[in-house]
Amino acid sequence: QKEVEQNSGPLSVPEGAIASLNCTYSDRGSQSFFWYRQYSGKSPELIMFIYSNGDKEDGRFTAQLNKASQYVSLLIRDSQPSDSATYLCAVPSYTNAGKSTFGDGTTLTVKP
Amino acid sequence: GAGVSQSPRYKVAKRGQDVALRCDPISGHVSLFWYQQALGQGPEFLTYFQNEAQLDKSGLPSDRFFAERPEGSVSTLKIQRTQQEDSAVYLCASSFSVTGELFFGEGSRLTVL
Repeated sequence: QKEVEQNSGPLSVPEGAIASLNCTYSDRGSQSFFWYRQYSGKSPELIMFIYSNGDKEDGRFTAQLNKASQYVSLLIRDSQPSDSATYLCAVPSYTNAGKSTFGDGTTLTVKP
Repeated sequence: GAGVSQSPRYKVAKRGQDVALRCDPISGHVSLFWYQQALGQGPEFLTYFQNEAQLDKSGLPSDRFFAERPEGSVSTLKIQRTQQEDSAVYLCASSFSVTGELFFGEGSRLTVL
């Protein structure tokens, strides 16, 4: 079992729909969680981070964290074709915060 | 520019050659990280620095891999006697702190023939 797991997809949604991306992690002590977006051929860029249980909203993006279930998700509302990318979940190690473990990403396609 | 700069962007090496990949972080970022990303996979941790100190090198695949950051700014990842399995994109990232957001460079794509 990988330390950070994501549905590989591809996930396809129509323009304007809600895209739901999921991530589970194995390190129960993990305290912070990051979502990065990676366009094809480009480097990852931060979308959101979350530290506390519950929801965190930033524009069309909402991150949800449930530490008891070791589950973090990213919701994208009113999806746009420009949201088409691979979304990476990253979890810094509880014992070594400089070492982040990334999932393999979920590839999202938003169809016009 | 103000972002993380990596060079070369593309490198083709014959098996057995040595390569050096350079990373110039964002000014003022004390933390610098190296990740390896294979096609279709997420970035895999290699090593990280706090200023000039290499605090963790547990992700380096073998003793052929070596990283340094002698003055706490520019870093170099060196791969000796390259093998085909070393082919990947090598991403450098910097951050204000060890626990903060990672700002990635565009990566160096290494192809070993």
